[in-house]
Amino acid sequence: KAGVTQTPRYLIKTRGQQVTLSCSPISGHRSVSWYQQTPGQGLQFLFEYFSETQRNKGNFPGRFSGRQFSNSRSEMNVSTLELGDSALYLCASSLVPGDTTDTQYFGPGTRLTVL
Amino acid sequence: AQSVTQLGSHVSVSEGALVLLRCNYSSSVPPYLFWYVQYPNQGLQLLLKYTSAATLVKGINGFEAEFKKSETSFHLTKPSAHMSDAAEYFCAVSVPGNQFYFGTGTSLTVIP
Repeated sequence: KAGVTQTPRYLIKTRGQQVTLSCSPISGHRSVSWYQQTPGQGLQFLFEYFSETQRNKGNFPGRFSGRQFSNSRSEMNVSTLELGDSALYLCASSLVPGDTTDTQYFGPGTRLTVL
Repeated sequence: AQSVTQLGSHVSVSEGALVLLRCNYSSSVPPYLFWYVQYPNQGLQLLLKYTSAATLVKGINGFEAEFKKSETSFHLTKPSAHMSDAAEYFCAVSVPGNQFYFGTGTSLTVIP
């Protein structure tokens, strides 16, 4: 089975621009979570989607948004980019949230650099 | 609410020595606990998980962790470190239906 895929792997943007990142979960997985990873803050939870609905949301400003499609693929969007948004953005998929064997499987991440 | 504390942001061991990475958790309900490993420029890979079955959990690459409820700990160990174990290790806690909470990570260096 193919793993979680994220595109693009690397992005360079300038302040004020917006960016869209994409995540394709493992086949059959219906839950997708997004994380921001930075050296100073570690892994910060952004949001989780299940069946096209946002289930949980972390403590990030409204510039960060996401959505999930009917095929479980997910996108996250960051508008009005700031220098501090430079980070590795990780996507994780799981079978069904709340399942007793719920495990998150991570993609390789998208490295976003804001200049 | 849940939280995770990883003691020691950097750990160095000699090749062949015992690896011990510490993780303490806080949870108001019985948690699920996970250890993930991250190699440079890669995503996180699941090492092992505890989901209320056996308290001693064996994972990949010779790692294991023991759930100790009385100490609210889930420390990761490996009897003999290998050069390929050098990576960043993350402990995480979740409860069913809720989000994952990750620790800040421990960077493991293996000295030849």
